[in-house]
Amino acid sequence: QSALTQPASVSGSPGQSITISCTGTSSDVGGYNYVSWYQQHPGKAPKLMVFEVSSRPSGVSNRFSGSKSANTASLTISGLQAEDEADYYCSSYTSSDTLVFGGGTKLTVL
Amino acid sequence: QVQLQESGPGLVKPSETLSLICTVSGGSVSSSSYYWSWIRQPPGKGLEWIGYIYYTGSTNYNPSLKSRVSISVDTSKKQFSLRVRSVTAADTAVYYCASSLMLRGAPAWFDPWGQGTLVTVSS
Repeated sequence: QSALTQPASVSGSPGQSITISCTGTSSDVGGYNYVSWYQQHPGKAPKLMVFEVSSRPSGVSNRFSGSKSANTASLTISGLQAEDEADYYCSSYTSSDTLVFGGGTKLTVL
Repeated sequence: QVQLQESGPGLVKPSETLSLICTVSGGSVSSSSYYWSWIRQPPGKGLEWIGYIYYTGSTNYNPSLKSRVSISVDTSKKQFSLRVRSVTAADTAVYYCASSLMLRGAPAWFDPWGQGTLVTVSS
């Protein structure tokens, strides 16, 4: 199975908004609403930020939002803060009953 | 609240078998509500899903690893395990265990995760 496609890096200034894309196929992202997003700080385990495309777990800031159009899912972070600087990964369930991750995106807060 | 903890050797020799255990607390590996997964991350690289097991013993694996990987569950010990055979330096990674809610018959997302354990393959 091929990894989902994410930009290697994105950046933004404090207070701005950024969007990270996650492109798959109709066999994964486009076929199911089981797209999730994870934040990973250096040396730490990933943390769930968005599940089922656009739902947020309890305790996750509403500055994080998710969406999907066709085979591409997106994570938007509004009102960027210094602590948002991290790696972000998307994941999707697939038609083979497996799961797949994106390659990861490094977010830099300028 | 479910918590997961990985354990196992931090160093494995090439061609040998890597074995890790994930201990589950605050929940049950016998629950029909969860899948139990292994995920790895080579140093400086991205996440790779390895495979999952359901309480029935049903498993599924990443096709790229399927020939060398097996996952099992021990309900009496509240643990599930990973074995990777014939390891090489490319298997050096931080290995995480994670749970996935079973939603409409599918593993939906990964939460929570264990803290991860680094396994180095070297002679």
